[in-house]
Amino acid sequence: DAGITQSPRHKVTETGTPVTLRCHQTENHRYMYWYRQDPGHGLRLIHYSYGVKDTDKGEVSDGYSVSRSKTEDFLLTLESATSSQTSVYFCAISQNYNEQFFGPGTRLTVL
Amino acid sequence: EDQVTQSPEALRLQEGESSSLNCSYTVSGLRGLFWYRQDPGKGPEFLFTLYSAGEEKEKERLKATLTKKESFLHITAPKPEDSATYLCAVQAAEDSTLTFGKGTMLLVSP
Repeated sequence: DAGITQSPRHKVTETGTPVTLRCHQTENHRYMYWYRQDPGHGLRLIHYSYGVKDTDKGEVSDGYSVSRSKTEDFLLTLESATSSQTSVYFCAISQNYNEQFFGPGTRLTVL
Repeated sequence: EDQVTQSPEALRLQEGESSSLNCSYTVSGLRGLFWYRQDPGKGPEFLFTLYSAGEEKEKERLKATLTKKESFLHITAPKPEDSATYLCAVQAAEDSTLTFGKGTMLLVSP
């Protein structure tokens, strides 16, 4: 498996609270991505990064922000969590913007 | 806008019963088409990348093929351990992101 870890693996939080999810890689890959996966929608891109401090929005970026201060870490922040953000979140990495390799996921529940 | 449609949504096979999964796509200049396998509660696992029409790739009981409009994932003599959701994704030229289909859930019964 590609060296990708996500933390926490599970989180339950309340509406209106900020939440930060972390993705850590040991592969030194340039590109990092955050997706959410929901029944009936499949995987949808939230934000991605093409280098340290270089990020861009994906298909479903509203309500989310990201930061990448080091090659190995990509943080996803829900500024004020809502119930519609209950989902499974996956981080992925890619070296040459070809195939992406996924982490184990974080299951987030917003009550 | 890039689009990926996978069919069927779910497929139930008996062990040894070969079949195919379909991935139809529209993209402005295909850079690559990707197949992934996803087990329940886990992240997607990369299987294949196809770059041009006519290309084929094989791995154990799986073979992926590509035309200008669709890709097929052929499963030959499947086993119960092949049960998973199979995801297809496309990448447009000059793009570093992927567009995923909703997947086909495959169940292989012994």
